[in-house]
Amino acid sequence: DQQVKQNSPSLSVQEGRISILNCDYTNSMFDYFLWYKKYPAEGPTFLISISSIKDKNEDGRFTVFLNKSAKHLSLHIVPSQPGDSAVYFCAASATRSGGSNYKLTFGKGTLLTVNP
Amino acid sequence: DVKVTQSSRYLVKRTGEKVFLECVQDMDHENMFWYRQDPGLGLRLIYFSYDVKMKEKGDIPEGYSVSREKKERFSLILESASTNQTSMYLCASRRRLPYEQYFGPGTRLTVT
Repeated sequence: DQQVKQNSPSLSVQEGRISILNCDYTNSMFDYFLWYKKYPAEGPTFLISISSIKDKNEDGRFTVFLNKSAKHLSLHIVPSQPGDSAVYFCAASATRSGGSNYKLTFGKGTLLTVNP
Repeated sequence: DVKVTQSSRYLVKRTGEKVFLECVQDMDHENMFWYRQDPGLGLRLIYFSYDVKMKEKGDIPEGYSVSREKKERFSLILESASTNQTSMYLCASRRRLPYEQYFGPGTRLTVT
């Protein structure tokens, strides 16, 4: 049972335009969400996170939006740059779930390609 | 900056061999994790440790064991490597709070 879903395996955008990466979750206990970026042959790098008490968090070119009622979050990258080309993973945590609060549940990832 | 290092970037082992993957973090993090990443499957948690000598199974622990004798070091052990354990192995660590995990560069393990 996949609790965190990234339904688009890939996304291609033009440099300078907006990239929107989507993520859906099914576990209503999830209350903390993170995005990671991963280049080939490297470990994932933390990008940005959001707690369920917020609906938006912004850090430079990256903004994460959370819609709790729809169990949906999205990562917006504006403007997109060729160096943003990577696999993006969405992850979720149930921070008030006792022993499970250490765990992150990851989606399968979306490959973003930003074309010059 | 947080630094998580893994003992090898690339490793080739034979079926049936015992394999040790080492991970070291230098930021005094309490929690450490081992994941494997496979195409189309994302990151799957093998084991994690919330403190020294403490460990818990993740989602896919079969065929693996772990050891955490010191706070900074977390080892993943493949008792008898099999070809289906060919994968990218990623170690991560974090403090109890915040929740972000910091990853090492990964070990690409090939079992032939």
